[in-house]
Amino acid sequence: SQTIHQWPATLVQPVGSPLSLECTVEGTSNPNLYWYRQAAGRGLQLLFYSVGIGQISSEVPQNLSASRPQDRQFILSSKKLLLSDSGFYLCAWSIQGDQPQHFGDGTRLSIL
Amino acid sequence: AQSVTQLDSHVSVSEGTPVLLRCNYSSSYSPSLFWYVQHPNKGLQLLLKYTSAATLVKGINGFEAEFKKSETSFHLTKPSAHMSDAAEYFCVVTLSGGYNKLIFGAGTRLAVHP
Repeated sequence: SQTIHQWPATLVQPVGSPLSLECTVEGTSNPNLYWYRQAAGRGLQLLFYSVGIGQISSEVPQNLSASRPQDRQFILSSKKLLLSDSGFYLCAWSIQGDQPQHFGDGTRLSIL
Repeated sequence: AQSVTQLDSHVSVSEGTPVLLRCNYSSSYSPSLFWYVQHPNKGLQLLLKYTSAATLVKGINGFEAEFKKSETSFHLTKPSAHMSDAAEYFCVVTLSGGYNKLIFGAGTRLAVHP
C-alpha cells in the first residue's frame, strides 16, 4: 500500500533563517506531488505541484520554492523565512486523472 | 469555473443524533467530488469520493454523501454522531487539467456534544 511521510512534525525557526521540509511517498511510481499551506482557521492554499522529476509549477508568488530531485521526493525550501510563512504545511500525492489526493500528517511551522 | 461552497462554517450536534454537512458546487463539466476530514494538527483523510458512478456514495466511519446534479449539491451525512467525529470537514471538487488540481471549500467545523 502507498504511504506518505512528512518531516519534521513541528518546527520553530527565526525570521531570516532557511527552511527545508521534506516529503516522500512509498508504494507508487510517478505520482503527482503537491505542497499546500493552511493558515490558522482557514482552508488550504496550493503552493506547488509536480507531475514529474524536475517539473515544478508554482501557484502563487511567494518566498518559497520547491524541488523534486527524485520520483517520490518533494522538498519545500526557503532561503530566508518571513513571519508570514508561519502555518501548517501539507504534502500530498495522487495518481493521474480526477483521483483524490492523499495527504501527509503535515508540518507545523512557527516563525519567531 | 469550478467552485465549492460549504454552507455552514460550524455545526454542533449531540452524540447519537444525525449529522448533515452541506456542500454546493459549481462546475462547467461533470466533476469529481470528495469529502475530507481533518483532525487537529493532522493531515486530511479522504472520507469518500464521487466519480460519476453511483450518486449515493458510502465512505468510511459510517459517512455517506449524495450527488444531486439538479441541485448542484453533495451533502455529507451520518445517521448517528460519535464523539470522535468532531473535526473539520472539507468538500472538494476537481479542476480537470492533468495535474488533478483540487478546489477546496472553506471547511465546516463539526462539534459533537455528549
